[in-house]
Amino acid sequence: GEDVEQSLFLSVREGDSSVINCTYTDSSSTYLYWYKQEPGAGLQLLTYIFSNMDMKQDQRLTVLLNKKDKHLSLRIADTQTGDSAIYFCAESMSSSASKIIFGSGTRLSIRP
Amino acid sequence: GAVVSQHPSRVICKSGTSVKIECRSLDFQATTMFWYRQFPKKSLMLMATSNEGSKATYEQGVEKDKFLINHASLTLSTLTVTSAHPEDSSFYICSARDWDPMGEKLFFGSGTQLSVL
Repeated sequence: GEDVEQSLFLSVREGDSSVINCTYTDSSSTYLYWYKQEPGAGLQLLTYIFSNMDMKQDQRLTVLLNKKDKHLSLRIADTQTGDSAIYFCAESMSSSASKIIFGSGTRLSIRP
Repeated sequence: GAVVSQHPSRVICKSGTSVKIECRSLDFQATTMFWYRQFPKKSLMLMATSNEGSKATYEQGVEKDKFLINHASLTLSTLTVTSAHPEDSSFYICSARDWDPMGEKLFFGSGTQLSVL
């Protein structure tokens, strides 16, 4: 079945770039998402990319998609303390919310 | 943006008791809500789709008599873990679906950490 994998933890120095990686197994994935969960809050959609794209940039966020390797990454430039959160990678074959498959989340911690 | 409120955020209960978790859409009406479960270090797994005014749709392997879902209004869905056992200890999170010109969007609650002793 479908599977989405990501590492559980990432520690980055403040001001450096953070790169959170994700791999997925379903080659027919059409939508790939990054969600952010801050402490005590719900998951918030950060950005998404269609499978026919290989890059999407939005201010400090850059999403790279390698469809051949089924690898998705989220780069956060100039990481700040407010970026501390859990980041979930997710994929779906359709735009239907019921079909989204989530990864386990990567906890990003920021060192001073 | 839209807000989804989930309560309680943390609950500890004794084995054999039932626990109810509420999921409310605060500023929009949600005909469809979703319930997920996450084991430590594992993926967030969809348990069921809650439809207002009708029966919930459960994913394969999820016991509907164990996890009772009620979606009696357009702003409230509840998940009741019946006769809870330690293996039901987990993180439960809900989401509600809303629409905007860009399409379908999910808004998540903050989750409930259930510990069954």
